[in-house]
Amino acid sequence: RKEVEQDPGPFNVPEGATVAFNCTYSNSASQSFFWYRQDCRKEPKLLMSVYSSGNEDGRFTAQLNRASQYISLLIRDSKLSDSATYLCVVNLYNFNKFYFGSGTKLNVKP
Amino acid sequence: NAGVTQTPKFQVLKTGQSMTLQCAQDMNHEYMSWYRQDPGMGLRLIHYSVGAGITDQGEVPNGYNVSRSTTEDFPLRLLSAAPSQTSVYFCASSFPGTDTYEQYFGPGTRLTVT
Repeated sequence: RKEVEQDPGPFNVPEGATVAFNCTYSNSASQSFFWYRQDCRKEPKLLMSVYSSGNEDGRFTAQLNRASQYISLLIRDSKLSDSATYLCVVNLYNFNKFYFGSGTKLNVKP
Repeated sequence: NAGVTQTPKFQVLKTGQSMTLQCAQDMNHEYMSWYRQDPGMGLRLIHYSVGAGITDQGEVPNGYNVSRSTTEDFPLRLLSAAPSQTSVYFCASSFPGTDTYEQYFGPGTRLTVT
């Protein structure tokens, strides 16, 4: 069983739409949670950390549900530049191992 | 700061050849790691290091060796290349204990084994 599971998509949405991704993790000992963004043929870059109380960064909102073991990412007012693959990442209690989901591809169309 | 650098960017090997992928960072990060990324598989951890002289295995360590003689460098050695090692390899570094544990990635090495 994979540590982290994501819907691969693609999610095809028009500009200005709101889109949400979910990600589930299997290990209840997971302590830290992140969303990374990866553009085509580029390295992943941190989009945002996910805190227990939920957090927002501009048009992006991340939430954590420990009881159901999933995290979510909501993107409001989608821009063409949001087109990318979004990777869900969890880290176990000793923070030495990060587990990546296979990513959800987002295409924002004009 | 150059951040995390990786060389080479591209490499083609024949089955059985060995080579070393180089990774260096200039941010004085203690934690460094190597991942491979295959289509539909996401990034999988190969080996990681929490400081000079300390390394450990990740999810998929077979066929790879690492060493960490300095804080800056973390080379990955392929002992005898196999077609199954065709992949994109990313090196990453971070400074544990920070609020975000943000990992900084190098630009990747695209390896093809024929």
